[in-house]
Amino acid sequence: SQQGEEDPQALSIQEGENATMNCSYKTSINNLQWYRQNSGRGLVHLILIRSNEREKHSGRLRVTLDTSKKSSSLLITASRAADTASYFCAPGKDTDKLIFGTGTRLQVFP
Amino acid sequence: DAGVIQSPRHEVTEMGQEVTLRCKPISGHNSLFWYRQTMMRGLELLIYFNNNVPIDDSGMPEDRFSAKMPNASFSTLKIQPSEPRDSAVYFCASSRRDRGWSETQYFGPGTRLLVL
Repeated sequence: SQQGEEDPQALSIQEGENATMNCSYKTSINNLQWYRQNSGRGLVHLILIRSNEREKHSGRLRVTLDTSKKSSSLLITASRAADTASYFCAPGKDTDKLIFGTGTRLQVFP
Repeated sequence: DAGVIQSPRHEVTEMGQEVTLRCKPISGHNSLFWYRQTMMRGLELLIYFNNNVPIDDSGMPEDRFSAKMPNASFSTLKIQPSEPRDSAVYFCASSRRDRGWSETQYFGPGTRLLVL
């Protein structure tokens, strides 16, 4: 099993700005997932991108995947104070368990 | 669907006491995961089940921890005896394993455990 490494560890922006978080991993994957965790709550699944996809959108979220560089990025456009949370990536392989990294802590100031 | 249900939501106990955490997965899901989250160690996978059978318990910290899944709709995580270093938030998650372990997981709200 492998753990994704999120970068940066912390990010502070103003409402309305875009937030970009990155994830790197080491071995081949079947998919990569992004989760959000609001303070004191469980993780919430945001989006899953499969290894044969390069980009995926969901509302204000845009995820890219570059399997040649073993990296993914999560872009949140027009951020809101409610987007304040920790964001985790989870590189997935069907034959192995998911391992979550330490996450990126996003703070959006009103 | 009600989502993953965990109880209790908060637990305060004294060192040496037995603690039992409970989880009801989403109906129709056949995989269940127990995690522990602390500031120091982040989110750790303790154990996971598939079709009620434990698959990997390598994350269980020591023999004081045990987990069971007697049926598809209920699981427990027990700590006996509890120690202050067990203080953490414990999450249960479930998924429907169709193709593999990389399916989307749905997390419960967690149990915040404080051992004094």
